[in-house]
Formats: sequence, structure tokens, C-alpha cells
Amino acid sequence: EPEVTQTPSHQVTQMGQEVILRCVPISNHLYFYWYRQILGQKVEFLVSFYNNEISEKSEIFDDQFSVERPDGSNFTLKIRSTKLEDSAMYFCASSEDGTATFSYNEQFFGPGTRLTVL
Amino acid sequence: GNSVTQMEGPVTLSEEAFLTINCTYTATGYPSLFWYVQYPGEGLQLLLKATKADDKGSNKGFEATYRKETTSFHLEKGSVQVSDSAVYFCALNPSGNTGKLIFGQGTTLQVKP
Repeated sequence: EPEVTQTPSHQVTQMGQEVILRCVPISNHLYFYWYRQILGQKVEFLVSFYNNEISEKSEIFDDQFSVERPDGSNFTLKIRSTKLEDSAMYFCASSEDGTATFSYNEQFFGPGTRLTVL
Repeated sequence: GNSVTQMEGPVTLSEEAFLTINCTYTATGYPSLFWYVQYPGEGLQLLLKATKADDKGSNKGFEATYRKETTSFHLEKGSVQVSDSAVYFCALNPSGNTGKLIFGQGTTLQVKP
């Protein structure tokens, strides 16, 4: 069964360093998402991406964050200068393009990357 | 704004007990509602969904009914198994042209033999 994969499973970095979190969405999916979950808090939407551009982003997704689909298979989240408060579990998700309404596309999630900023 | 509130966990039950995890939401318009489950070491998986008022979503013995009058989407199962131990997330997708999901904080379920 196709699945979303994420690497690494755990990333430890120093404050101020750049990190890139990688995701491989399901191959025929066209919509991609990043969410994060700070320990003990809710899963929060960060950004959605379609047709090589951001379609929606939350207020969390400031200039320190960027997303990219560098090739036909990877989808990355870059944090330019990490802060302590960026420590969280980051989830990638993807969904098909197939209906006229986003609401009915099931999002398939990866297992997450745990980011620890020291 | 849009938000989801779930009952606090952890919930600990014996095998074959009845499960209810409460979920209420705040939203404008007519959102779609979801329950996702996360097993240890895995990503979130869609468990069930309902896209309009009075719809009942069901899967693997779990059920939830979209109640617009009480803005609720409680998850129920008549007889839980040890293998149901996981974290359960209630979520909504706001109406309109958006794909984002808004999640509750998750409820950990532990089922003991």
C-alpha cells in the first residue's frame, strides 16, 4: 500500500541552524501539506502546496519557513534559523487531486520527524 | 474562528468496554468532520469522516455522528480491543476552498487485557 515517508525520523540541531525536513508523498498525489505538533499541544496546520506554489499558509508559517518540491518525488520544509520553540513533531501529508472540493480529499500522513532544537 | 476540543486523556479501559471520546467544534459554515488515529511510531490515519449534518461515519467498529445542533462529533465503539490502543484526533476541514485540517489535542486510549 502506498504511503508517505519522512526523513529523518529525529533531527537534533543547534539554535540558529538551518534544517531541512524531507517528505516523499504518495506518487500520484498533487496536494501537499505540512503540520506540526509541539509536545502536549494540538496538531497545527502550517502550509499547503499545489502546482509548485503555496496555496495556503498559517500565521505560524513566517519568513523563516519555506517549502519546495525540488524534483518529482520530494517535498521539503526548510527552517532557516531554528528557534527553541520550533522543537516539535513535523508531519507531512498528501492528497489526490480528483474532486472539485478540497474538503473530500483524504489526507495521508507520514510518521513525522521529531525536531529538537538545543 | 474554527477550533476543535476533545476530552482530556488518557482514557484507560478494559478490553470489551464501551468507548466514548467526546469532540466538540466551533466553525463557520458547514465543515467536514474527521477522526484520525495514530498508532505508536506511525503517522495519522483517517479512521472515519462525515461531511454533512446527521451523517454517521463508521469504520472498524467505530462510529461518530455529525450533530450540528450540539456541534459535536463524539467517537464511540461498543467493545474495545487491546489493538485499539492509540491516540485519537478529532479534526475539521472548514467549508470553502481550503484543504487544511484543524485538529483537537488528541486523546490517548489505553486498553488493558
